[in-house]
Amino acid sequence: QSVLTQPPSTSGTPGQRVTISCSGSSSDIGINTVSWYQQLPGTAPKLLIYSNNQRPSGVPARFSGSKSGTSASLAISGLQSEDEADYYCATWDDSLSGNWVFGGGTKLTVV
Amino acid sequence: QVQLQESGPGLVKPSETLSLTCGVSGYSITTGYYWGWIRQPPGKGLEWIGMMYHSGNTYYNPSLRSRVAISFDTSKNHFSLRLTSVTATDTAVYFCARQTPPGKVTNLIDYWGRGTLVVVSS
Repeated sequence: QSVLTQPPSTSGTPGQRVTISCSGSSSDIGINTVSWYQQLPGTAPKLLIYSNNQRPSGVPARFSGSKSGTSASLAISGLQSEDEADYYCATWDDSLSGNWVFGGGTKLTVV
Repeated sequence: QVQLQESGPGLVKPSETLSLTCGVSGYSITTGYYWGWIRQPPGKGLEWIGMMYHSGNTYYNPSLRSRVAISFDTSKNHFSLRLTSVTATDTAVYFCARQTPPGKVTNLIDYWGRGTLVVVSS
């Protein structure tokens, strides 16, 4: 069972805007920044968003992130077929001696 | 261009030790970042295993701490994972990755290896 809670799946049509939520607690999202990762089938995860809302070079502006309290969200606008992938949120958890924690992942289907 | 590449046996027997190595090119593992491991059981989500800094400082997943060790070989610019007493539940794709030091402002995992499947079976 993952520390961060994400919906298992979501879907959208091309051109639509979709959002994926990530819920945590006061010891993780509540006090640390969130990053998001896109995993295409059969490949390694790729950094999509860091520091809640920053995009690495090369990531389209269609991808955006936000954080409020102990929750975060990833938004994808102008949905494209190549966005079909698994998406994971992650952050540092300050409880115990400290460790990274991930969400369970959300499967995005572009119908 | 930072590149990471995992290597090691693809099959390990139950109760034995899983050993993997991550070769790094394009960046020195003694400079500024933590280096560690993340795994993904078939059809499931990501699980963070642990990370190490060149100073020797380490962080491990509490659920795996008693069985995990990460080590560095700075002369070869690579780092390694040892996971003892494996069972079938340790079957997964193992990724090595570069991670930022823990902090409030920036937490990210920016470079990943392609991953290597390790199956635990007799």
